[in-house]
Amino acid sequence: GDSVTQMEGPVTLSEEAFLTINCTYTATGYPSLFWYVQYPGEGLQLLLKATKADDKGSNKGFEATYRKETTSFHLEKGSVQVSDSAVYFCALSAFGGATNKLIFGTGTLLAVQP
Amino acid sequence: KAGVTQTPRYLIKTRGQQVTLSCSPISGHRSVSWYQQTPGQGLQFLFEYFSETQRNKGNFPGRFSGRQFSNSRSEMNVSTLELGDSALYLCASSSGTGGGETQYFGPGTRLLVL
Repeated sequence: GDSVTQMEGPVTLSEEAFLTINCTYTATGYPSLFWYVQYPGEGLQLLLKATKADDKGSNKGFEATYRKETTSFHLEKGSVQVSDSAVYFCALSAFGGATNKLIFGTGTLLAVQP
Repeated sequence: KAGVTQTPRYLIKTRGQQVTLSCSPISGHRSVSWYQQTPGQGLQFLFEYFSETQRNKGNFPGRFSGRQFSNSRSEMNVSTLELGDSALYLCASSSGTGGGETQYFGPGTRLLVL
């Protein structure tokens, strides 16, 4: 079945460091890919998404490119801030059909130190 | 636009009891999905409702059920609660076209089963 594999955390960085969180997926067809962020005590917020191969999603300085050849959707940010500290989830929505079911990775805790 | 709201935010129950959680989607959204989040299993899809019909269901026992009303509000019910049902329950709403559309999450209901 479809699945998402995410790098384990926690990831600890100093402010202004470069961030990469790896995400790979297994799915049939062409799923849509998402990054969600969860701050302490809150629900999930969509960070960015990409719906087809080679699409780049971007938001608030974060970017991720849908790579069909490597089945990857790695999250990057050039300069992290303390306020970026949160748990990041990679997710996919299966190709085709009307369903909205999301399959999530295990989440990666990011801690940014001043 | 008001976001997705969930009530109650916190709940404490004892084993064997039942519980009902409520979710009000963003105005105009017709799809509501439910997810369970636990430290051990991560984020898992429970079910999705669209236009008062269950459109998809995850791998949860029959103790977990849901419904959707004509105004798109949704409830989920868990009967005969077990300790392992302690979790954050998240609902998400979307327009309902499926296939990669953005889902918007509520803040969640945190359920503790004693």
